[in-house]
Amino acid sequence: GQNIDQPTEMTATEGAIVQINCTYQTSGFNGLFWYQQHAGEAPTFLSYNVLDGLEEKGRFSSFLSRSKGYSYLLLKELQMKDSASYLCAVRDRNQGGKLIFGQGTELSVKP
Amino acid sequence: NAGVMQNPRHLVRRRGQEARLRCSPMKGHSHVYWYRQLPEEGLKFMVYLQKENIIDESGMPKERFSAEFPKEGPSILRIQQVVRGDSAAYFCASFGTGDAKNGYTFGSGTRLTVV
Repeated sequence: GQNIDQPTEMTATEGAIVQINCTYQTSGFNGLFWYQQHAGEAPTFLSYNVLDGLEEKGRFSSFLSRSKGYSYLLLKELQMKDSASYLCAVRDRNQGGKLIFGQGTELSVKP
Repeated sequence: NAGVMQNPRHLVRRRGQEARLRCSPMKGHSHVYWYRQLPEEGLKFMVYLQKENIIDESGMPKERFSAEFPKEGPSILRIQQVVRGDSAAYFCASFGTGDAKNGYTFGSGTRLTVV
């Protein structure tokens, strides 16, 4: 089976940097995804990591360490609109390649 | 290129009625996934379909729930004899071969309320 853990909620200040961690256990790791979901809306794709290291996309970066079963999403220059839930998901080739999601981290950005 | 289309956006059903949720994947995508999301929870996998085939239904409840993705037309998630516990947001996602880096594209979801 799989176990994906991320903090339930986090609070940060506008303009600051926040790091959202995700740990996972899987038998056939084949990629890790981060999604953003605003309340009442669809999840939207943010980033994908399959090799170790950092992937940067504007204000958002995502890091992966396969040996540690660990990833983080880094959000810089936080804006109020970044208040949302951030979902970590793992693709497991032994699970038919479907994405398995963590429970999500609810991020609140305060002025 | 239209995204993943789900309808209806909101659906209210009385206990015991049937709910039909529809999903049209992105053009060119032949893989469809259904997920359920309860309030304050993450997305739970239900079923994975390709055209005319159910590939993985390990997340589907054994009774009352069924899914199909016919050769023509949208994918349908059907819930018979709904109960209050079925109230949730149901998201459909599609995926195209060769889209490994882009993950799934999600529709806007159907919010089912059972009264």
